[in-house]
Amino acid sequence: AQKVTQAQTEISVVEKEDVTLDCVYETRDTTYYLFWYKQPPSGELVFLIRRNSFDEQNEISGRYSWNFQKSTSSFNFTITASQVVDSAVYFCALSEAFSGGYNKLIFGAGTRLAVHP
Amino acid sequence: NAGVTQTPKFQVLKTGQSMTLQCAQDMNHNSMYWYRQDPGMGLRLIYYSASEGTTDKGEVPNGYNVSRLNKREFSLRLESAAPSQTSVYFCASSEAGRRQTNSPLHFGNGTRLTVT
Repeated sequence: AQKVTQAQTEISVVEKEDVTLDCVYETRDTTYYLFWYKQPPSGELVFLIRRNSFDEQNEISGRYSWNFQKSTSSFNFTITASQVVDSAVYFCALSEAFSGGYNKLIFGAGTRLAVHP
Repeated sequence: NAGVTQTPKFQVLKTGQSMTLQCAQDMNHNSMYWYRQDPGMGLRLIYYSASEGTTDKGEVPNGYNVSRLNKREFSLRLESAAPSQTSVYFCASSEAGRRQTNSPLHFGNGTRLTVT
């Protein structure tokens, strides 16, 4: 069965600190996709990144970076030099490639990040 | 470009009342979805629709019905609301079709529903 675990319920940091959000997943498929979404206090869900199971290269986008490791079934998200605007709930999600399609994303419970000035 | 539009943004119902949540997307996406978000549980899929005229149950479909009115619109109906349905409801759409499961979902801004 598919499962996504975000063990960190809440994280609190001071501005300019680096912070890593953990995501561990379970799936029987060899082909699957992983996503991160951000939910700021305003409530909308914002897509951040998509990664397929064949691409284990780390990705960096500005202050954001993602570390995908199949050996540990993890897809961790790091924010470098955090800012107050990074305060949000972050969700990791998994989609199997052959579940019949239709992006039946399985979401983790989310990690609430609070960045204090 | 409005993306995914949900109405209403807030709603309070009494137990046993019915209502329909509306969702429309203007991105010409094939697939549409309804999720509910509860504290500590992330988002759970209620129903989804791969294309106009088709709907399928997700993880938590009990107490809900859906209608894919056309390619743009996908509504969620609560026939007899219960306090357990108090939640934030999100509609989403994606380009995904039968062989594409990697397209990201685009979400609406949510509907906060309280059932008393």
